[in-house]
Amino acid sequence: QLQLQESGSGLVKPSETLSLTCTVSGGSIDSSGFYWGWIRQPPGKGLEWIGRIYHTGTTLYKPSLNGRLTISIDTSKNQFSLKLFSVTAADTAVYYCARQIHITGGNWFDPWGQGTLVTVSS
Amino acid sequence: DIVMTQYPDSLAVSLGERATINCKSSQSVLYSSDNRNYLAWYQHKPGQPPKLLLYWASTRESGVSDRFSGGGSGTDFTLTISSLQAEDVAVYYCQQYYDTPYTFGQGTKVEIK
Repeated sequence: QLQLQESGSGLVKPSETLSLTCTVSGGSIDSSGFYWGWIRQPPGKGLEWIGRIYHTGTTLYKPSLNGRLTISIDTSKNQFSLKLFSVTAADTAVYYCARQIHITGGNWFDPWGQGTLVTVSS
Repeated sequence: DIVMTQYPDSLAVSLGERATINCKSSQSVLYSSDNRNYLAWYQHKPGQPPKLLLYWASTRESGVSDRFSGGGSGTDFTLTISSLQAEDVAVYYCQQYYDTPYTFGQGTKVEIK
């Protein structure tokens, strides 16, 4: 059974860089037909897709975050990572990693990691 | 961006009764070349990650109870819980994958009356 688990710093200072890693177990991150994505949920708000990566390293980011976001992948470790630069309080959220299923042409998310709360505060 | 709007924001339903959640997209998510609606539904319980319920607007994910069903096409969709159980208390989200950025509705909270 595929499982994803986020890890990284839970507290980041304003203007600094938020870094998270998602470790995939129970399956290979190298599989065709799947993207690996990041979704966040600010406190009391809805879900926001922020970006995805394919095992080849091809990325797609939410345009409003372009320039501040980098997603990378390490197939040898079965991990993918997120770096969000120059953070502000508006980046405070629970960050989820998820497999994005594209194999039949769709792009839904299943499964999701447990999520990790990242707070931006001095 | 395609804006997804759910209504109501919350609803309270008696155990065993039907619950219906609506989701409206700002543009059609029906892809004419394959006649499929690019819409998914998720269930989100406190302290847990969101769980996929349906994709292609009405295809139930493996293992999901047949109490959950999806309908609609184009811009208007529904998620129906046919007979509400206590374990169905959650926030439900629709998501379009017709175009990037993929977007979610604001969520509908389902409670027991």
